[in-house]
Amino acid sequence: DTAVSQTPKYLVTQMGNDKSIKCEQNLGHDTMYWYKQDSKKFLKIMFSYNNKELIINETVPNRFSPKSPDKAHLNLHINSLELGDSAVYFCATSFGGTGELFFGEGSRLTVL
Amino acid sequence: GENVEQHPSTLSVQEGDSAVIKCTYSDSASNYFPWYKQELGKRPQLIIDIRSNVGEKKDQRIAVTLNKTAKHFSLHITETQPEDSAVYFCAASLDTGNQFYFGTGTSLTVIP
Repeated sequence: DTAVSQTPKYLVTQMGNDKSIKCEQNLGHDTMYWYKQDSKKFLKIMFSYNNKELIINETVPNRFSPKSPDKAHLNLHINSLELGDSAVYFCATSFGGTGELFFGEGSRLTVL
Repeated sequence: GENVEQHPSTLSVQEGDSAVIKCTYSDSASNYFPWYKQELGKRPQLIIDIRSNVGEKKDQRIAVTLNKTAKHFSLHITETQPEDSAVYFCAASLDTGNQFYFGTGTSLTVIP
């Protein structure tokens, strides 16, 4: 069983569209994150959720909205996609917000 | 917030030689320092970590050193092998958790 899984793995869409990326974990971790990795490989934290509460939002545009229906899921919704949103988005989890981060396989978003 | 700087951005070594990657951080409250390895097209994975109450930690060919006074930590890889080729990220985290700040990555190439 994959510990942290993301869908879709690849997403190609037009500017202005709205899209979602889903993340599910079966590790029982209480903290989930979304990271953005751009073409230069920089890993930037976007959000983290602990017990269904948003606790970090690192100056991310409000076009991005995380939604956590339960402790095992953290989905990322993106409205009005822009060219600069093209990147690989990683979901990650940790226990207690400290210690090892477990990453999903990543979702490569391409905005045309 | 925390600022993590990482050097060098690229590193090429001959197989069998050692590789050293250095990171500095700005927030003296940071006390957890993991290193992640990301192979091409894959997810980042933890390879070693160190907490602030320890100055050095070793795991086979990999070691990490921490100097809290100077606020820098380093990754040492000895007897490098071609499969060590990847992008390596350092990170710093506060004890309160939920905040992992990554360095900008080092692309390591081991030449056979």
